[in-house]
This record gives sequence, structure tokens and C-alpha cells, in this order.
Amino acid sequence: GDSVTQMEGPVTLSEEAFLTINCTYTATGYPSLFWYVQYPGEGLQLLLKATKADDKGSNKGFEATYRKETTSFHLEKGSVQVSDSAVYFCALRRNSGNTPLVFGKGTRLSVIA
Amino acid sequence: GAGVSQTPSNKVTEKGKYVELRCDPISGHTALYWYRQSLGQGPEFLIYFQGTGAADDSGLPNDRFFAVRPEGSVSTLKIQRTERGDSAVYLCASSLDGASDTQYFGPGTRLTVL
Repeated sequence: GDSVTQMEGPVTLSEEAFLTINCTYTATGYPSLFWYVQYPGEGLQLLLKATKADDKGSNKGFEATYRKETTSFHLEKGSVQVSDSAVYFCALRRNSGNTPLVFGKGTRLSVIA
Repeated sequence: GAGVSQTPSNKVTEKGKYVELRCDPISGHTALYWYRQSLGQGPEFLIYFQGTGAADDSGLPNDRFFAVRPEGSVSTLKIQRTERGDSAVYLCASSLDGASDTQYFGPGTRLTVL
């Protein structure tokens, strides 16, 4: 079945450091890919998405590129802030029919000043 | 406008009891999803409604779990004879329709079964 694997956390970075959180997927066909973020005490929020190969999703300085050849959707940010501390979830959704999201286990990011 | 709301935010119950968890989706959203998130894990799909009908209930773990959405808006997830392993955060999400990519999540209900 469909699955998402993302790097284990926690990840601790200093402010202004470069961030990469790896995400790879297994799916039939060509799913849509997502990054969701969960800030402390809040619900899941969509951060960015990409619906086809080579698409780049971006939001709030975060970027991720849909790489079909490596089945990956790694999340990057050039300069993290303390306010980026959260749990990040990679997810996919098959494009055939009405299907739910399949999530990775999440990666906790802590950014220290 | 208002986002997805869920009540209660926390529920503590004893093993064997019955619980109901409520989800109020964004107004006008026809698709509604329930997920369960255990500690240290990502959300796992339980059931999906399109309008009033359950379009996909393949994620429900067993027949103790049941969900309804009688008027195509508010949904209730019902768990009978709760077990300690049911302890988790239950998340609800809605989207404009089943084809829409973007799901909007509620804050969740944390269920603890003692």
C-alpha cells in the first residue's frame, strides 16, 4: 500500500541555519504530495503542496520539489527562525478517486536562538 | 470564517465505556474525514464522508468504531466498549469536496481510556 517515510527527529537547529527534512514515498501512480505543520498547541495546517512531477511547492520560505525519479519531496528552508519550531508531516494523496491523506510519522523541529 | 471545530477537546473515560466525539466542519464543505493520531505517529485515516454517506470506511479498526453524518454537516465518531489502545488524538478534517486537495484540520480530541 501507499506509504510515506520521513527522517526521524527531533531536529535541533540554531536560528538562521539551513533546514532539510527528508521525505520519500511509495505509491501507485502519481500522487499529490504535501507538507503539513503542527505548531505547539495548534491543529495541522497545510504548509505547501505539489501535484505533479517537478512541481515546486513553496510557502513561508519553505520549499519542496516533487521528484518522481527519486520518489522524494524533501522540505527545505534557507534560514530557520525560532517560530518555525513545530512538527512537520509529509503526506501523499492518490489522485484517483476520492482518497484520504497518508502521512509520515512526523519530524519535530526545534530552533534555538 | 470559522474553521473546523471538534468537541470535546479532551475526553477521559474508563475502559468499556462508550464515547462520542463531535466534528463541525467548515460551512459548505461536503467532504469530511476522520483520522487518528497515536503518540509519536502521523495521523491515520479512519473514515471519509461525502455528504451524508460514508464513502470509505476502510480505516476503521473494528466494529466498535462507527461514525455518522446525518445531515451532511456535523459528524459524530462513536466508540463502543473503549479499550486502552483507543487512547489517541482523533482528528477531523474537511474539504470543499472529495476531489479537493486541501483538507482543513480541526484541533483534535484527545481521548484517554483508563
